Amino acid sequence: GQNIDQPTEMTATEGAIVQINCTYQTSGFNGLFWYQQHAGEAPTFLSYNVLDGLEEKGRFSSFLSRSKGYSYLLLKELQMKDSASYLCAVRDGDYQLIWGAGTKLIIKP
Amino acid sequence: DTAVSQTPKYLVTQMGNDKSIKCEQNLGHDTMYWYKQDSKKFLKIMFSYNNKELIINETVPNRFSPKSPDKAHLNLHINSLELGDSAVYFCASSQGSNSGSETQYFGPGTRLLVL
Repeated sequence: GQNIDQPTEMTATEGAIVQINCTYQTSGFNGLFWYQQHAGEAPTFLSYNVLDGLEEKGRFSSFLSRSKGYSYLLLKELQMKDSASYLCAVRDGDYQLIWGAGTKLIIKP
Repeated sequence: DTAVSQTPKYLVTQMGNDKSIKCEQNLGHDTMYWYKQDSKKFLKIMFSYNNKELIINETVPNRFSPKSPDKAHLNLHINSLELGDSAVYFCASSQGSNSGSETQYFGPGTRLLVL
């Protein structure tokens, strides 16, 4: 079956670094996405990986290992506004995204 | 200049009623989606249309009926609302180029509460 696993909740300190992991088992693979969702708001696109390796975009980086079915999102220099849920999603075909339940990240001063 | 808009933002209604949620995108995208996000925060795809044609139709009760009058609009009609329909419904759109990197853009969501 299709399955995406992420930790339910993580806590980190302002200014620190946090890594949010995602493992997936899907029938196909056509790329992995990370989205950010603040409470009460819509998900917004953060990053996309389709090849193995690290993609860096400012304070955020995303890593993919297709052979291990594994990705992580790395957030550096954490700010209070980074408190949100982070959703991992895999495109398993042409249009459809399979979504994880999201990881709620709590940032403490 | 809102990219993906939904109305209404909040919807409180009684069990058994029929209601509609509307979605419009001004991004020129060909593909639109309806998602349901329940209290556990799972985003579950319900339907997707590409250029007014239904391309994804997940297992949802047939009380839910999507309608796409044109490629910029995708509405969702729900008959005989049940308590379990309470959730946030998100509309999204994407370019529809079939590219793997294609990003989905989400509307603000409609918070449906069935009493």
